[in-house]
Amino acid sequence: EVQLLESGGGLVQPGGSLGLSCAASGFTFSSYAMSWVRQAPGMGLEWVSTSGGSTYYADSVKGRFTSSRDNSKNTLYLQMNSLRAEDTAVYYCAKSISVASSQIFDYWGQGTLVTVSS
Amino acid sequence: EIVLTQSPATLSLSPGERATLSCRASQSVSSYLAWYQQKPGQAPRLLIYDASNRATGIPARFSGSGSGTDFTLTISSLEPEDFAVYHCQQRRNWPLTFGPGTKVDIK
Repeated sequence: EVQLLESGGGLVQPGGSLGLSCAASGFTFSSYAMSWVRQAPGMGLEWVSTSGGSTYYADSVKGRFTSSRDNSKNTLYLQMNSLRAEDTAVYYCAKSISVASSQIFDYWGQGTLVTVSS
Repeated sequence: EIVLTQSPATLSLSPGERATLSCRASQSVSSYLAWYQQKPGQAPRLLIYDASNRATGIPARFSGSGSGTDFTLTISSLEPEDFAVYHCQQRRNWPLTFGPGTKVDIK
């Protein structure tokens, strides 16, 4: 059974940093692209980053967020720096449906809430 | 950036009725469009990918159609568990983008 478990969310002041983790199990982690998608309170979904052979970022986070992965630990990370109020959201990690289709998300974690506020 | 527009914003229907949801792209996404269902407090669930392919375990009452810029998600006969928010997402170009969602609620 595929499982994705995010952790690391919490309250952080504007300008601060926070690191998220996503522990994966139930599939061959190294073979699939993994993504971060966020959802601000009461809002729609916003793609943040995808890490596979290459890593892609939304313009809104480029230069501030860094996605990485440790295939030996089956874990995806998101390091978030220079946080802003508009980064407040539930952050989901998501697995790609196949090796060839890295941008379709077939499994999602339960999400972790990041709140940026003073 | 490809902008996705969904209509209507809210669809009020009764169980057993047919639901037709629309997603329109600001430029062609070919068939690279997916649909997700999201219930309150839950993560999204993949329903349809590449316009018309049902994901594993998705009931046959869910179907997708369209190509280019206009897409439709159809729920042939609403079950109580289908009342939720539905999001479309394109993967034609980076950045990946989602539509604002359509809420299907009980009339």
